[in-house]
Amino acid sequence: GIQVEQSPPDLILQEGANSTLRCNFSDSVNNLQWFHQNPWGQLINLFYIPSGTKQNGRLSATTVATERYSLLYISSSQTTDSGVYFCAVSGRGGATNKLIFGTGTLLAVQP
Amino acid sequence: DADVTQTPRNRITKTGKRIMLECSQTKGHDRMYWYRQDPGLGLRLIYYSFDVKDINKGEISDGYSVSRQAQAKFSLSLESAIPNQTALYFCATSDSTGTASYEQYFGPGTRLTVT
Repeated sequence: GIQVEQSPPDLILQEGANSTLRCNFSDSVNNLQWFHQNPWGQLINLFYIPSGTKQNGRLSATTVATERYSLLYISSSQTTDSGVYFCAVSGRGGATNKLIFGTGTLLAVQP
Repeated sequence: DADVTQTPRNRITKTGKRIMLECSQTKGHDRMYWYRQDPGLGLRLIYYSFDVKDINKGEISDGYSVSRQAQAKFSLSLESAIPNQTALYFCATSDSTGTASYEQYFGPGTRLTVT
């Protein structure tokens, strides 16, 4: 099945710093989503981005489908950005549309 | 996402007990999913349903059953709970007819502990 790898696994930032999170996937996809899991466990949809570039405030994402990777950019980080960031994909041709999750990037933003 | 609700939000139960987790959605989506998350890991699919009469097993369905009572409701049951079913459970929905037809929306999660 399709494999999803995220890097880095852990990241510590000072408030105000910028960061880039990466997601590599092993096959063609019809869905790629980025999520933020907050310290209370809730999954927050950040982007639906199987290809192209999107921006939402301080966050932006780019997926290069032909090269099988996606990047999540966080600018001017805040302590509320702390948590785990997951990339999840569903592969083309799959019947379930199930999302395959990476193991996440744990982000800690320090004041 | 407030459009997808899960009850209960937290539950502690004993080994061998039957427990039901419920999911409701007001998004009008036809597809619904149940995932579980173990500590330090991503989510894995338990069951999915593409409409009321279409229910399918996911990758880790053993020990679980589901019921799709209506388009808006999808319940997950643990027939005889065991400690390794302690996890965070998420319900999700998607709309097969929309322009972003593969995008999934998640509920707030149910934290289940089996002692």
